Amino acid sequence: KQEVTQIPAALSVPEGENLVLNCSFTDSAIYNLQWFRQDPGKGLTSLLLIQSSQREQTSGRLNASLDKSSGRSTLYIAASQPGDSATYLCAAFQGAQKLVFGQGTRLTINP
Amino acid sequence: ETGVTQTPRHLVMGMTNKKSLKCEQHLGHNAMYWYKQSAKKPLELMFVYSLEERVENNSVPSRFSPECPNSSHLFLHLHTLQPEDSALYLCASSQGGLAFFGQGTRLTVV
Repeated sequence: KQEVTQIPAALSVPEGENLVLNCSFTDSAIYNLQWFRQDPGKGLTSLLLIQSSQREQTSGRLNASLDKSSGRSTLYIAASQPGDSATYLCAAFQGAQKLVFGQGTRLTINP
Repeated sequence: ETGVTQTPRHLVMGMTNKKSLKCEQHLGHNAMYWYKQSAKKPLELMFVYSLEERVENNSVPSRFSPECPNSSHLFLHLHTLQPEDSALYLCASSQGGLAFFGQGTRLTVV
């Protein structure tokens, strides 16, 4: 059974810092891995999708990496801004339809 | 706008009421999901439909009844709910290992 873990549960950093969020999964036979952002009381917004054959994906200040052999993915945020404050979730696809989520990392960027 | 629309956005209902949540996706995806998110808890998968057939049901109480009449629409019928059912209910759709979520329905049971 796939289990996805995100550490830390919460992170607070000053504005302008570069930071890394971690996601680990127990079963390396994943289909894809997707990173989401959730603002309080809102739905999930897709940030990046890494297909199982890829090692990383980039979108603006965000870079996500995937290492299936070690069961890890990281989300790198460059030059953090207060607007980046949100909960970040990673989800592993087991097959094309079964999504398994981590518990999320609550990120606060202090001005 | 994610292509997944949920209505209503907010719902307050009594424990004896019957109501329905609606989800519509305009992405041509072949799978749709209901998730429950309670305060300070991780996402809980409730139901998954693939090609209009229910493929997963995570031991959800029978007071929650899903319906998927076609590949674009998903409903969650609610009856005789309990206060602990108050939560954010999220709908998602996916295809080929890429998922998009709606904005959620904030449900309060009084």
